[in-house]
Amino acid sequence: AQSVTQLGSHVSVSEGALVLLRCNYSSSVPPYLFWYVQYPNQGLQLLLKYTTGATLVKGINGFEAEFKKSETSFHLTKPSAHMSDAAEYFCAVSVQGAQKLVFGQGTRLTINP
Amino acid sequence: DTAVSQTPKYLVTQMGNDKSIKCEQNLGHDTMYWYKQDSKKFLKIMFSYNNKELIINETVPNRFSPKSPDKAHLNLHINSLELGDSAVYFCASSYSGDAWEQFFGPGTRLTVL
Repeated sequence: AQSVTQLGSHVSVSEGALVLLRCNYSSSVPPYLFWYVQYPNQGLQLLLKYTTGATLVKGINGFEAEFKKSETSFHLTKPSAHMSDAAEYFCAVSVQGAQKLVFGQGTRLTINP
Repeated sequence: DTAVSQTPKYLVTQMGNDKSIKCEQNLGHDTMYWYKQDSKKFLKIMFSYNNKELIINETVPNRFSPKSPDKAHLNLHINSLELGDSAVYFCASSYSGDAWEQFFGPGTRLTVL
């Protein structure tokens, strides 16, 4: 079975600062990894995904994440935070043929002016 | 032109009642899902349907009964509501060959009193 652990339920950064949201996964087979974002009172939206190929993946809104197999990590970064980035971020894992996502517990990102 | 829609958005009811939540997607997807998000924001899959056939049932109490009249609709009926059923319920859809890129509805906040 697959699982995901997000380190830090709440991260707070200043506007313009680096955003780093941490995600570690567990999977006995090659994982597919995802970051979803949930804005207040909305459903989840896919930010980016890693399935195969290049380990550094770019997503929407200037976010990117790097798959590091040796560290079983898939951390999400953005060089410069914007007020509109304030949201809940979920890391998720799946594997080929699994037909479902397993989500982490989420990290709430707060941006300070 | 909403992609995944749910009704109602809010549902407040008494313990013991029966209620339904409806979901519709106009993306042409063949797979639909129900998720439960608890008060700690933890998101867990409940059911998945592919072309009206149940493919995932994650040990959900049998008071919860999903119904898919066609591949664009997936409804959730809940019998004998309990306090612990209070949560936000999300519907999502995807193509079966790309099950991890899921499109979420706005959620239904269910409060059981």
